[in-house]
Amino acid sequence: QSALTQPASVSGSPGQSITISCTGTSSDVGSYNLVSWYQQHPGKAPKLMIYEGSKRPSGVSDRFSGSKSGNTASLTISGLQAEDEADYYCCSYAVSSTLAFGGGTRLTVL
Amino acid sequence: QVQLQESGPGLVKPSETLSLTCTVSGGSISGYYWSWIRQPPGKGLEFIGYIYYSGSANYYPSLKSRVTISVDTSKNQFSLKLNSVTAADTAVYHCARFHADYTYFDLWGQGTLVTVSS
Repeated sequence: QSALTQPASVSGSPGQSITISCTGTSSDVGSYNLVSWYQQHPGKAPKLMIYEGSKRPSGVSDRFSGSKSGNTASLTISGLQAEDEADYYCCSYAVSSTLAFGGGTRLTVL
Repeated sequence: QVQLQESGPGLVKPSETLSLTCTVSGGSISGYYWSWIRQPPGKGLEFIGYIYYSGSANYYPSLKSRVTISVDTSKNQFSLKLNSVTAADTAVYHCARFHADYTYFDLWGQGTLVTVSS
């Protein structure tokens, strides 16, 4: 079902910044600023990190930021910390009032 | 604070119907959209569908013929039924609160593993 494309894995050292991409089409990411990002630690429920492309829910660190260019949305994590190691998923509104998830990206903090 | 908890059988036989319930505690089910998302073992998230507290529902196209989501406001619960299941439906099933206006899930249940096997 993964309609959005994410890299399988990314890595970075503590303190560094990393960016996870989420590529869709003009039927989803490209036409709507309705991308959300979720963090999932093993065995845990996903946690909302970004919504409406770049907005952070209350309680989410400002080290997390979202952006979009064309058909690609991005999640940037600055000042990497050990607890950021997790799986990250993007999600976008798509035509016909449905939703598309990305396949997920495993972030490793070296 | 609002919490969601999934419940239901952990094992379903092929061709039978998977039935799960999500209980919303700490807040009212009214006024919101509620959703089901699943995650096959070792794989990514898959959207199943969502329902408004009033009962209007929307399903992912490839599952639409097999899925029914319903809501019971008197019990503060909503439910998922997926019929004619196969091994491919084995997954952790999460319920979540869904904001349809801006398309995001802000509260999630822990998830429950449903295995399809004879």
